[in-house]
Amino acid sequence: DSGVTQTPKHLITATGQRVTLRCSPRSGDLSVYWYQQSLDQGLQFLIQYYNGEERAKGNILERFSAQQFPDLHSELNLSSLELGDSALYFCASSATGQTETQYFGPGTRLLVL
Amino acid sequence: ILNVEQSPQSLHVQEGDSTNFTCSFPSSNFYALHWYRWETAKSPEALFVMTLNGDEKKKGRISATLNTKEGYSYLYIKGSQPEDSATYLCAFRSDSGYALNFGKGTSLLVTP
Repeated sequence: DSGVTQTPKHLITATGQRVTLRCSPRSGDLSVYWYQQSLDQGLQFLIQYYNGEERAKGNILERFSAQQFPDLHSELNLSSLELGDSALYFCASSATGQTETQYFGPGTRLLVL
Repeated sequence: ILNVEQSPQSLHVQEGDSTNFTCSFPSSNFYALHWYRWETAKSPEALFVMTLNGDEKKKGRISATLNTKEGYSYLYIKGSQPEDSATYLCAFRSDSGYALNFGKGTSLLVTP
């Protein structure tokens, strides 16, 4: 158990819908990262937050947005969902967002029908 | 997107065999190289973070080396056990950003 929690574990929804994925980092970690794992793709970095502020942005679609709240939990919002958005979404956390290890949560598996 | 390549894509060895796999990454603008172990139905688990050229790290029967000048890292498993079966991921971070760029992984199967 990494100490990072993600909810829900599984999500099934329809095209065009909007969903919110939630992540709670390890106690004391200030930085949260979101990754997407699609079929036949490596883990793709989406976005990073540090202490409530966006720090880095990767291949995140405009239909997707995220935020980190004062209690340091984070939410990833996915809207106007398409079939291709079906993937495993991971959240990871680290202490400061620098070189150190990132600890991954169990992931949310999203299926868009 | 920075290109991180891992080889081989998959590997099947017998219990007791030693094995190694490769991670190739851009040799310029290096900042850090991470190795993760990812078992099916679990989340990726950190093995090593390497930052210096020539670094060698060890954790039990697993070790890793780093060559930042030529842009590669090797992961070695000595005396493989069935519980070592997993996908091994490497991730490269450049000095121009915070993102980890992951390879697609090497899937290892160790049979008794």
